[in-house]
Amino acid sequence: GQQLNQSPQSMFIQEGEDVSMNCTSSSIFNTWLWYKQDPGEGPVLLIALYKAGELTSNGRLTAQFGITRKDSFLNISASIPSDVGIYFCAGVLSGSARQLTFGSGTQLTVLP
Amino acid sequence: DGGITQSPKYLFRKEGQNVTLSCEQNLNHDAMYWYRQDPGQGLRLIYYSQIVNDFQKGDIAEGYSVSREKKESFPLTVTSAQKNPTAFYLCASSIRPGTGRGPDTQYFGPGTRLTVL
Repeated sequence: GQQLNQSPQSMFIQEGEDVSMNCTSSSIFNTWLWYKQDPGEGPVLLIALYKAGELTSNGRLTAQFGITRKDSFLNISASIPSDVGIYFCAGVLSGSARQLTFGSGTQLTVLP
Repeated sequence: DGGITQSPKYLFRKEGQNVTLSCEQNLNHDAMYWYRQDPGQGLRLIYYSQIVNDFQKGDIAEGYSVSREKKESFPLTVTSAQKNPTAFYLCASSIRPGTGRGPDTQYFGPGTRLTVL
């Protein structure tokens, strides 16, 4: 399947710091989704983006649909211990059968 | 409350045995999906179904089978032909793709961890 490049692969930050992660591709996407997964649980949807340039917030989380439609980023402000987990981006390729392609995830660790 | 349930949470089987994983949703979603997740990797699509009595293979369908006899249910059978079945299996559902804004947003169940001994 089509690859999404998600970076960084892992992050160690101090509590209270801001975090940024992103996904890029050489292909055009129609939809970008950001999920968070806790250990042993299913991914939970954080933010959904449907239009190029769209900037959407959900509490301390902000995500943007890149203007080229080939990338998206997720920011977390003022991190707290419960932000620990794996964050996945997912996208729907333009012209595809509308299936999701997933990034490989960013493992976030928040140090007290 | 609406949601997706998967059972059991943990499953152990001997090599060579078929095993069926359950997935039920009461979100009235048309489409349902099965993914496999291995440590340190993203999700890979096994099978998906956009409507009752119809399903398509995903990227890694070999060694798996599904059925979709009811809108609410999409069970996955891991057969003995699957060479490396130990993994975390995730079921998801969505409004039928192509029906309007947000149809591609998938909602996930809690997962089943299958270990083959």
